[in-house]
Amino acid sequence: AQKITQTQPGMFVQEKEAVTLDCTYDTSDQSYGLFWYKQPSSGEMIFLIYQGSYDEQNATEGRYSLNFQKARKSANLVISASQLGDSAMYFCAMREGLRGSARQLTFGSGTQLTVLP
Amino acid sequence: EAGVAQSPRYKIIEKRQSVAFWCNPISGHATLYWYQQILGQGPKLLIQFQNNGVVDDSQLPKDRFSAERLKGVDSTLKIQPAKLEDSAVYLCASSLATRKNEQFFGPGTRLTVL
Repeated sequence: AQKITQTQPGMFVQEKEAVTLDCTYDTSDQSYGLFWYKQPSSGEMIFLIYQGSYDEQNATEGRYSLNFQKARKSANLVISASQLGDSAMYFCAMREGLRGSARQLTFGSGTQLTVLP
Repeated sequence: EAGVAQSPRYKIIEKRQSVAFWCNPISGHATLYWYQQILGQGPKLLIQFQNNGVVDDSQLPKDRFSAERLKGVDSTLKIQPAKLEDSAVYLCASSLATRKNEQFFGPGTRLTVL
């Protein structure tokens, strides 16, 4: 089974509107971390936001927020007030294991977001 | 603070040739990762180092891929001989052992095998 599933290959959003990018995950670990990265056409991976499995509140970083629903094993990214510069590929990723453990990230297949003027 | 450095940025080779990629992680980051990202897919871990020791190389095709991190700082990934299916972006990342263990990525090396 896929560990990270992103079901939206492509999404379009109008500038200044909010958009939600879906991510579901599969793990039997109690302790894990969920990450979202942005990858513009230039190729670098830019860290956006992190949610720990024991964090009670949803993570927020500026215009980014993570809608964490542990029982449903979902970790959707919400981008508010979209900007043209938000057009990029977005990856959801998971690190399994203890907090602070240097474990690999398992990535989803990504969602290509296009912001329309 | 300088980010993760990688070179070269682009490389084109013919199949059966060899190629090497270099990565210099963020200063002080003990953990270094090499990922392979095939076009249209998410990155996939090839190998993970903790200082100069290998933590996980279970997905590294060891018949043709090798990697080293001799002094626990910079690292080299080699492919010999290359196959067409090795065409991908090779990403290097590094991290500290913090609560979230955020990984910082380099710009990547785009390899084309003809």
